[in-house]
Amino acid sequence: DIQMTQSPSSLSASVGDRVTISCRASQSIGSSLNWYQQKPGTAPKFLISGTSSLQSGVPSRFSGSGSGTDFTLTLSSLQPEDFATYYCQQNYSNPRTFGPGTKVDLK
Amino acid sequence: EVQLVESGGGLVQPGGSLRLSCAASGFTFSTYWMSWVRQAPGKGLEWVANIKQDGSEKNYVASVKGRFTISRDNAESSLHLQMNSLRVEDTALYYCVRGGGNFFSWGLGTLVTVSS
Repeated sequence: DIQMTQSPSSLSASVGDRVTISCRASQSIGSSLNWYQQKPGTAPKFLISGTSSLQSGVPSRFSGSGSGTDFTLTLSSLQPEDFATYYCQQNYSNPRTFGPGTKVDLK
Repeated sequence: EVQLVESGGGLVQPGGSLRLSCAASGFTFSTYWMSWVRQAPGKGLEWVANIKQDGSEKNYVASVKGRFTISRDNAESSLHLQMNSLRVEDTALYYCVRGGGNFFSWGLGTLVTVSS
């Protein structure tokens, strides 16, 4: 099974900050990496597929990059609605696996 | 608008069974892989199973193989998860998800609690 790790596990930031979240796969997954956002008490929301393709309606301040085993989610200017937990997920093989999540909260 | 509405969760004793259902609407159900993803209280996301459009291929996470069975009824636009031999560690919110690897849309979830 492909193991996914994320760093940091949590971070505190202010509105307007640039935020970067890292995700690493235990083996190469090409560009088969997705990102999700989850706010407390709600279902996850699909943000980015295939490393860098924003889903419809996702603001352009979100971006994704990377390939192989190392990936990054970047929020260029944090907005109040962006405080949430972010999960990466590999779509390379079964079992599909998620990272443990990165919680972004208000500094 | 895509809607996924789960039902069937509840409290069950270890070793018991439950059958989860998901009613789908707002998209052509028969053209999508479907999945179940769960989230234990206060924990992260765990993919449980997926099923191909025609039901001919099913995949499971190792921890549920032989105990859980995913199925679908394309005529009714419904997805199911039969869960047998439930364990305390199966306690989670179970989400019905559109997609087999790209998880496009999620329901609100149904809570399964396994406890004596």
